[in-house]
Amino acid sequence: EVQVLESGGGVVQPGGSLRLSCAASGFTFASFDMSWVRQAPGNGLEWVSSINTSGGGTHYADSVKGRFTISRDNSKSTLYLQMSSLRGDDTATYFCALDRAGSSWHLFRGQGALVTVSS
Amino acid sequence: AIQLTQSPSSLSASVGDRVTITCRASQGIGTDLGWYQQKPGQAPKLLIYAASSLQSGVPSRFSGSGSGTAFSLTISSLQPEDFATYYCLQDYNYPWTFGQGTRVELK
Repeated sequence: EVQVLESGGGVVQPGGSLRLSCAASGFTFASFDMSWVRQAPGNGLEWVSSINTSGGGTHYADSVKGRFTISRDNSKSTLYLQMSSLRGDDTATYFCALDRAGSSWHLFRGQGALVTVSS
Repeated sequence: AIQLTQSPSSLSASVGDRVTITCRASQGIGTDLGWYQQKPGQAPKLLIYAASSLQSGVPSRFSGSGSGTAFSLTISSLQPEDFATYYCLQDYNYPWTFGQGTRVELK
């Protein structure tokens, strides 16, 4: 069964940093592109970042470009999101997703990681 | 960035009703669109991908159609477990964008 477990969320002060992890199991992690999507409290969904299977291709939303870095370790079946210079509007639940390239197929399997940016 | 506009933003319906939600893209996206269902406190659930392909395990009362700029999600006979918020997502190009969501409530 496809499973992902997001972790690393918490409370951080504005300007601080945090690293989220998404540990995958039940599928061949190295065969899937992966993404992060977030949802601020009471709001809709927002795409954050995506990475291809090798890790050599990455994309970011303008709202996080230059502050967030997506990466992956295929040997550990784990996706990461390094977040720095955090702001209040980064407060959200962050979900990771499996992507099937070119088919608009994106699968969410975890409960998300809550990041709260507050002083 | 491509904008996706969903309508309505919310609707009230009864069990057994036929419900249609539309999603309009600000430019043509072929069939690079998916539909997601989300319940409070849960991750989004993939219902439809490539505009009209039913995800494995999703009931056949859900269907999707459209291409270019106009898309729709139809629930043929609303069930109690279908009361949720629905989102469309385009991945035609970056940045990927979601519609603002349609909340389906019990009448």
